[in-house]
Amino acid sequence: GENVEQHPSTLSVQEGDSAVIKCTYSDSASNYFPWYKQELGKGPQLIIDIRSNVGEKKDQRIAVTLNKTAKHFSLHITETQPEDSAVYFCAATGNQFYFGTGTSLTVIP
Amino acid sequence: KAGVTQTPRYLIKTRGQQVTLSCSPISGHRSVSWYQQTPGQGLQFLFEYFSETQRNKGNFPGRFSGRQFSNSRSEMNVSTLELGDSALYLCASSLALTRTGTGELFFGEGSRLTVL
Repeated sequence: GENVEQHPSTLSVQEGDSAVIKCTYSDSASNYFPWYKQELGKGPQLIIDIRSNVGEKKDQRIAVTLNKTAKHFSLHITETQPEDSAVYFCAATGNQFYFGTGTSLTVIP
Repeated sequence: KAGVTQTPRYLIKTRGQQVTLSCSPISGHRSVSWYQQTPGQGLQFLFEYFSETQRNKGNFPGRFSGRQFSNSRSEMNVSTLELGDSALYLCASSLALTRTGTGELFFGEGSRLTVL
């Protein structure tokens, strides 16, 4: 089956700096790559996604890039704010969602 | 529009007992999937139900089971509980079956199970 690896597991940045989270996957058949944000005490919520026929997608301060050849995709958050502090999960999807182990992002005011 | 509702939110059981968790999906969503979340392990897929049928199953022992009703509500059951079953169990609903049309998963807030 699919194997998704996510790095780093924890990340601290100063407010206003950028944050980058990286994921790799193993199954070339995976074709949908969402990113979810989980705040304390809540369920994960989709923040951005990308499909295998697209290399990059941007939504305001958040962007995702996908390199199908290398089988890796990344989440970029610019101008970070304290409310960006949360756990972020990447996923690779074919017949089911395979999630990474999560990155705990802390934005220091 | 109401979100995904999971009950109970918290529960404590002892080893050997069984537990049933409930999930009400967003109205109109026919796919319900369940995940186990533990520290350091991320979200592990348990199973997906669509139109009352289990369509996919993760690598969990047979003690983990589920079902879906005609109104798309779903339950999962864990029998003969073990200490390692302590986790947050998340339910997610979606419009379509994952393998036919991947789209957004809408998660509930989870049921936190503690096994003593």
